[in-house]
Amino acid sequence: QQQVKQSPQSLIVQKGGISIINCAYENTAFDYFPWYQQFPGKGPALLIAIRPDVSEKKEGRFTISFNKSAKQFSLHIMDSQPGDSATYFCAASPAGGTSYGKLTFGQGTILTVHP
Amino acid sequence: EPEVTQTPSHQVTQMGQEVILRCVPISNHLYFYWYRQILGQKVEFLVSFYNNEISEKSEIFDDQFSVERPDGSNFTLKIRSTKLEDSAMYFCASSVGWAGDEQFFGPGTRLTVL
Repeated sequence: QQQVKQSPQSLIVQKGGISIINCAYENTAFDYFPWYQQFPGKGPALLIAIRPDVSEKKEGRFTISFNKSAKQFSLHIMDSQPGDSATYFCAASPAGGTSYGKLTFGQGTILTVHP
Repeated sequence: EPEVTQTPSHQVTQMGQEVILRCVPISNHLYFYWYRQILGQKVEFLVSFYNNEISEKSEIFDDQFSVERPDGSNFTLKIRSTKLEDSAMYFCASSVGWAGDEQFFGPGTRLTVL
């Protein structure tokens, strides 16, 4: 019940294309859904995050779509660039109790953007 | 820009030895975390720490693990008797607050247990 399932494992897109990564969760106590970007040899860095009170959040070329009833959320990268090539992790954390800050990560998606 | 720092970047140790991984969180942050990432796998939560005590720990964080904030700046993870399966990248993270505040991750320490 604590799992976050992420797909696809890897994704190859052409420069200028749209990259879409999907995540699904089961724990209805999850209340915060961030996406992290990780480059080789670096720690994860927050890209964008959403709470379930909105269905979409956009920051520049990055958009999170959130479907509370389906318990799914996705990351869309518009106009994908070679510099976006990285591993992307979705994550979730609960709304209350001492688990508040505990992030549960998805398996990760290796994105490769070809020039 | 403030950042989380970790030392060493790479630690090689023999099975059964004790290791201490060090982290310096961002100075005004109050919540501290350790995560680990086995090569090619997802990032896994180990422990969260606030007000000088553990808030939550995962089932990975057994009696061989301990955390400490020995002074006002450092946050350490100790593994008392390392096992081969402890080989992983260990990330320290910190956040200002608890409720969905951004967790800033350090660059990680790669632990190799031989």
